[in-house]
Amino acid sequence: LAKTTQPISMDSYEGQEVNITCSHNNIATNDYITWYQQFPSQGPRFIIQGYKTKVTNEVASLFIPADRKSSTLSLPRVSLSDTAVYYCLVKTTDSWGKLQFGAGTQVVVTP
Amino acid sequence: SAVISQKPSRDICQRGTSLTIQCQVDSQVTMMFWYRQQPGQSLTLIATANQGSEATYESGFVIDKFPISRPNLTFSTLTVSNMSPEDSSIYLCSATGDYEQYFGPGTRLTVT
Repeated sequence: LAKTTQPISMDSYEGQEVNITCSHNNIATNDYITWYQQFPSQGPRFIIQGYKTKVTNEVASLFIPADRKSSTLSLPRVSLSDTAVYYCLVKTTDSWGKLQFGAGTQVVVTP
Repeated sequence: SAVISQKPSRDICQRGTSLTIQCQVDSQVTMMFWYRQQPGQSLTLIATANQGSEATYESGFVIDKFPISRPNLTFSTLTVSNMSPEDSSIYLCSATGDYEQYFGPGTRLTVT
């Protein structure tokens, strides 16, 4: 599985856009990029997944450049409730459910 | 989507004892997994719970320490055996959906 690298922490104010960039230099052709969110005392929750270009859902957008060696999770207009740890993961189709979590990014949103 | 519940939500246990954690999924799922999250750390995969056969363990985890059962497509148990303070962690059950992975709320275990 490709190793991921992301910032340890990010601070933001309410209403701002938060962009978290993840590096995955060794991503394989069949791998997907997926992001999870974890609040204290809860299990991780799926946010978004993509293979290339741009994916958007009601929660976030995911930008993946052509070389797929990095990706950026964009959280628009964050609120205090978006304070959480965000994990960038690479999923391989050979072991779909076996997720290798990195350290994650602690996002703190303040008023 | 799948909703996963775990019992107990937390427990405090004495060194040398064992604890069995139950995981219930509200729908049939193909694959179930157990993860561990040590204090302030990320999640580490313990094993894949295989229905009707022995679990598949990741490097560093063994069946004698973490026996796992999966009698059907909605239920699994993880036992933490002969516990030591180093086993104090959050243990999370996970199940694979069509597109994403679902996680239970976790069981917070403290070993004294």
